[in-house]
Amino acid sequence: EAGVVQSPRYKIIEKKQPVAFWCNPISGHNTLYWYLQNLGQGPELLIRYENEEAVDDSQLPKDRFSAERLKGVDSTLKIQPAELGDSAVYLCASSLGEDTQYFGPGTRLTVL
Amino acid sequence: GDSVTQMEGPVTLSEEAFLTINCTYTATGYPSLFWYVQYPGEGLQLLLKATKADDKGSNKGFEATYRKETTSFHLEKGSVQVSDSAVYFCALSDLANDMRFGAGTRLTVKP
Repeated sequence: EAGVVQSPRYKIIEKKQPVAFWCNPISGHNTLYWYLQNLGQGPELLIRYENEEAVDDSQLPKDRFSAERLKGVDSTLKIQPAELGDSAVYLCASSLGEDTQYFGPGTRLTVL
Repeated sequence: GDSVTQMEGPVTLSEEAFLTINCTYTATGYPSLFWYVQYPGEGLQLLLKATKADDKGSNKGFEATYRKETTSFHLEKGSVQVSDSAVYFCALSDLANDMRFGAGTRLTVKP
């Protein structure tokens, strides 16, 4: 069974540019999560979807971050414009309801 | 709010040494507890979990017991291998399945 797929794996951009990350969850998993992982720290939740509905986006900086999960499957996380402090790893995870979360390999973003 | 505190690293051990990584938690309810492992360049992989007090999670020689009286979930392995070198994260999830992670402990095992 395929795991959570994320792309790109690495992205380098200049500040003020937009960037987007894509996530394809495990087939059948209705819950999808985006996490931010700063260097040397544990992941922190940005947003959680149940099917296509964002049920927890309290930690998402809405002035520059946006996310969508059309049709309740794939999801895209966007940053516009990116700032130097956004350099981090962006992790996507999925679960079947409230069961165990499974993580993708992450996208490492570097903002110059 | 709920939180997880885990032993600061890095931890360096020789092959076949005994491993303990301490993890304590603060939670208002009865969370599920997890250990995730992150190998270099990869995402987090579930190592083991326990969903209620006194449960023991185990996998690949690693064990952790959910201790409600000490609010702990320490990770142990009797004999580590070089291939166990990774970053280990302790985490909890509440009823809403919101995960809280510790800061991670980097383990290096030398031959």
